[in-house]
Amino acid sequence: EAQVTQNPRYLITVTGKKLTVTCSQNMNHEYMSWYRQDPGLGLRQIYYSMNVEVTDKGDVPEGYKVSRKEKRNFPLILESPSPNQTSLYFCASSRLAGGAPDTQYFGPGTRLTVL
Amino acid sequence: AQKITQTQPGMFVQEKEAVTLDCTYDTSDPSYGLFWYKQPSSGEMIFLIYQGSYDQQNATEGRYSLNFQKARKSANLVISASQLGDSAMYFCAMREDAGKSTFGDGTTLTVKP
Repeated sequence: EAQVTQNPRYLITVTGKKLTVTCSQNMNHEYMSWYRQDPGLGLRQIYYSMNVEVTDKGDVPEGYKVSRKEKRNFPLILESPSPNQTSLYFCASSRLAGGAPDTQYFGPGTRLTVL
Repeated sequence: AQKITQTQPGMFVQEKEAVTLDCTYDTSDPSYGLFWYKQPSSGEMIFLIYQGSYDQQNATEGRYSLNFQKARKSANLVISASQLGDSAMYFCAMREDAGKSTFGDGTTLTVKP
């Protein structure tokens, strides 16, 4: 089954304790992206990657890191989480058609709470 | 900078009727993609429809169609024959060819029986 998986689905942690949210896709997509969603708002892009070893900042990259060492994986790293990073996080992937990303598939989301 | 505007925080529609959800966008890039997503109360994001900026025809996917008016920078979603299961939050989004992506704040659609 074609899918984007994220782990963990739920996480409660404390300020300053490094954490990683994993994202994996099995569709051989070149493009992957991380978003956060806060109550009453749409999704805001954190980082994206057009291919292996190519990553770029979205609108809200501060406090986050990513890596793209393999095509299928795109982990999101919070080196020193703070309470304002409490949010719902989505990973997404899509193919590149003619060089441009098209249909985008989302993971189930990770609900992160930082105390 | 990219911007997506969804001016309808909430919409109501009677079951079996059609509804239009508005979306306007702003970009200086000549090449981009426009998307609509559905987010039910369970929280997952479901892709509905995609329109490329150079596509000549409006995109359609089953009961969903995208009314793309490039000169007016609008990309409205039309849902025909609404069903109770269509009640959800709907997001319009835009993505540059280089990969940067922007979402609107969403429209909550409620389908009345």
